[in-house]
Amino acid sequence: QQQVKQSPQSLIVQKGGISIINCAYENTAFDYFPWYQQFPGKGPALLIAIRPDVSEKKEGRFTISFNKSAKQFSLHIMDSQPGDSATYFCAASDGSGGYQKVTFGTGTKLQVIP
Amino acid sequence: EADIYQTPRYLVIGTGKKITLECSQTMGHDKMYWYQQDPGMELHLIHYSYGVNSTEKGDLSSESTVSRIRTEHFPLTLESARPSHTSQYLCASSASYRGHYGYTFGSGTRLTVV
Repeated sequence: QQQVKQSPQSLIVQKGGISIINCAYENTAFDYFPWYQQFPGKGPALLIAIRPDVSEKKEGRFTISFNKSAKQFSLHIMDSQPGDSATYFCAASDGSGGYQKVTFGTGTKLQVIP
Repeated sequence: EADIYQTPRYLVIGTGKKITLECSQTMGHDKMYWYQQDPGMELHLIHYSYGVNSTEKGDLSSESTVSRIRTEHFPLTLESARPSHTSQYLCASSASYRGHYGYTFGSGTRLTVV
């Protein structure tokens, strides 16, 4: 059972445009929502994360928008650059019970073209 | 510099061989994880550990085994490699669940079994 659904699977954006990746979750116990960025030949790296008590978090050109009632969250990359071309994973975790098992989305391959 | 290291980066091995993938972290994280990443990008948890002498199987059934004798070391062993084991293996670690720290991933081991 996939608990975090991610879309689209792939995305092509022109340089300077806005890249938007969406995720939806089912488990209302999730209380931490990170995004990871993975370049070819590397492991994923934590990019930005949000907790459900806020609706938006911004770090530079990267923004997470969070809709608790809809159980959805999204990553917006403003002024997308060719260097942003990578695979992006949303994730969610439930910290109750002393465990921090993370459920990952299926990934979105972003290509930013000049 | 605190980091997580995986060796080897690439491994081509014959069917039936025993192999050990190494993972070490210098951050003092108590939690460590092994993920298998298929060509379609998806990350599958195969093993995790919440501390020394603690290991659990993940969501994806795997014929591999792990051990955690030291906090910093979390090796993965395949007793008899098969072509179906060909994949990218990623090791990760995280700090205590309090505060929901993100995962730190290694660069991965790309295993090919011929």
